[in-house]
Amino acid sequence: GEDVEQSLFLSVREGDSSVINCTYTDSSSTYLYWYKQEPGAGLQLLTYIFSNMDMKQDQRLTVLLNKKDKHLSLRIADTQTGDSAIYFCAEIHRDDKIIFGKGTRLHILP
Amino acid sequence: GAVVSQHPSRVICKSGTSVKIECRSLDFQATTMFWYRQFPKQSLMLMATSNEGSKATYEQGVEKDKFLINHASLTLSTLTVTSAHPEDSSFYICSAAGTATREQYFGPGTRLTVT
Repeated sequence: GEDVEQSLFLSVREGDSSVINCTYTDSSSTYLYWYKQEPGAGLQLLTYIFSNMDMKQDQRLTVLLNKKDKHLSLRIADTQTGDSAIYFCAEIHRDDKIIFGKGTRLHILP
Repeated sequence: GAVVSQHPSRVICKSGTSVKIECRSLDFQATTMFWYRQFPKQSLMLMATSNEGSKATYEQGVEKDKFLINHASLTLSTLTVTSAHPEDSSFYICSAAGTATREQYFGPGTRLTVT
């Protein structure tokens, strides 16, 4: 099937690291994305990783890719209240269609 | 990064009327634009892919006569919801893909409420 799987909810204390996991389906996906959606807003591209990379770091964000297991993760270091949002994992197919996961709602505890 | 705008951001219409939503790529040319629909607390569902100058390709289960898509130029695509019903109430998001990159840039979304 075309399901991209991710857990629906994650609760993290402010200042801790958040790790959001995702499994995707298409081993030929060339790009894998993480999008952030704040309440009532559209999608914001956070970061992406090319399929021939294992890791990508961008300030507080670290993306890890395990191509063998089709597993993608997003780590947010020093989680802040402004990180509270829904995070979507997505893969792009050869025809440029993006398949999204259902989104992980990140809740920040004080 | 590239900017994609949508207009209007919110619209309320009566049942039976038609509503047009515009998607514009502001600083790049988009040969391909995508239209998504998002139900509350759910993921995005791809509705259709539109290529400039040709007919849109609709995903299975999406009625092409109800959701009319026009991609008249490299910077503008429109989605018209015809004869809207309350079940069409949703958040509609477009994205645009540049010619040089496979990255897609998303618009801010349009919230449609049909009363």
